[in-house]
Amino acid sequence: DIVMTQTPLSLSVTPGQPASISCKSTQTLLYSDGKTYLYWYLQKPGQPPQPLIYEVSNRFSGVPDRFSGSGSGTDFTLTISRVEAEDVGVYYCMQNIQLYTFGQGTRLEIK
Amino acid sequence: QGQLVESGGGLVRPGGSLRLSCAVSGFTLNNYYISWVRQAPGKGLEWLSYISVDGGTIRYADSVKGRFTISRDDAEKSVYLEMNSLSADDTAVYYCARAVGMVSWGQGTLVTVSS
Repeated sequence: DIVMTQTPLSLSVTPGQPASISCKSTQTLLYSDGKTYLYWYLQKPGQPPQPLIYEVSNRFSGVPDRFSGSGSGTDFTLTISRVEAEDVGVYYCMQNIQLYTFGQGTRLEIK
Repeated sequence: QGQLVESGGGLVRPGGSLRLSCAVSGFTLNNYYISWVRQAPGKGLEWLSYISVDGGTIRYADSVKGRFTISRDDAEKSVYLEMNSLSADDTAVYYCARAVGMVSWGQGTLVTVSS
């Protein structure tokens, strides 16, 4: 089974400052079709998760461009270029090259 | 974008059963995979099961294999999760999510397993 490990598990960021979350998988997420099956989601308080990024670096429709994803193979990063108050919540990475696995989540709060 | 609405949650005794429904609107159900994902109180997300477009491919997480059954009725625009042999560890909010990339989610339904 593929295990997804996120770091840090929590971070506190001043509005306007950048933030980064790391996600590492125990197996490569690069599939034979050339795509890498790594997603990012944000779960705001009291809400279901909402999709942010698919296939490492592609933003879903409506996602602000301050969110970006990068990485390859087994190491991935979600970056928020300038954190805003509305970005608080828990961020999850997810793989679906082999069934589905989520990371433990990273809680972002505003200083 | 469409909408997904879960229902069927509630309080059930250990060893009991429950059937959850995921009703969809605003999109054609038979064009999409549907997954069930749960979240125990204060915990992270756990994928449980998915069913393919034609229902021909079904997969389960090890934690629910043999106890949970996913099914779909495209005419009723619904996907179901039949849950048996429930224990306290199954207490969670259960979400259904659309498509391979889980592009949209319902609001969830709470299942509480307690005596």
